[in-house]
Amino acid sequence: TQLLEQSPQFLSIQEGENLTVYCNSSSVFSSLQWYRQEPGEGPVLLVTVVTGGEVKKLKRLTFQFGDARKDSSLHITAAQPGDTGLYLCADRKGGSNYKLTFGKGTLLTVNP
Amino acid sequence: NAGVMQNPRHLVRRRGQEARLRCSPMKGHSHVYWYRQLPEEGLKFMVYLQKENIIDESGMPKERFSAEFPKEGPSILRIQQVVRGDSAAYFCASSPSGDGKNIQYFGAGTRLSVL
Repeated sequence: TQLLEQSPQFLSIQEGENLTVYCNSSSVFSSLQWYRQEPGEGPVLLVTVVTGGEVKKLKRLTFQFGDARKDSSLHITAAQPGDTGLYLCADRKGGSNYKLTFGKGTLLTVNP
Repeated sequence: NAGVMQNPRHLVRRRGQEARLRCSPMKGHSHVYWYRQLPEEGLKFMVYLQKENIIDESGMPKERFSAEFPKEGPSILRIQQVVRGDSAAYFCASSPSGDGKNIQYFGAGTRLSVL
């Protein structure tokens, strides 16, 4: 059974600071996805990474995928209060095209 | 184009009652997935349905839980004789196909509280 470990579990920072959160898998990712879930809402897909070593940028967010495809990081530059939320990584379960396995997430709070 | 609609957003039930959670997929989507988010845990897959068919229910508890996606109307997740441990956020997602290349779009969830 694949396990996705996310760290840190909680992160509270001031507006304007930079931060990095991590996602590690006990096995090679099939197709790593990062989501953000705002309080009281459902997860919203931010990015999908597939290729080892891949780097994707989404405005102030930079996603890196490890060469061995077992780890990933999400870096946010100059965090804003609107970045507050639960950041989740997920993988499509091995052998399944549709079944998503999620980590427990990093709860980010950006204080004004 | 409306997103995935779930209702009710909040549901309170007493132990032993039934809970019915509804999910209307995005327009044009015929594949529906249900996930459960327990406190302190990540989202966990429960069941995958297409219209009138259950494709994969490997994540569903063996008893008291059932799901359907009829030809007409929303998908329903039904929990009979609820217990306190059923308190959680239940999310529905939809996609136009189930081949893994399509994004699953999530609804805002139903928060079930069992008293």
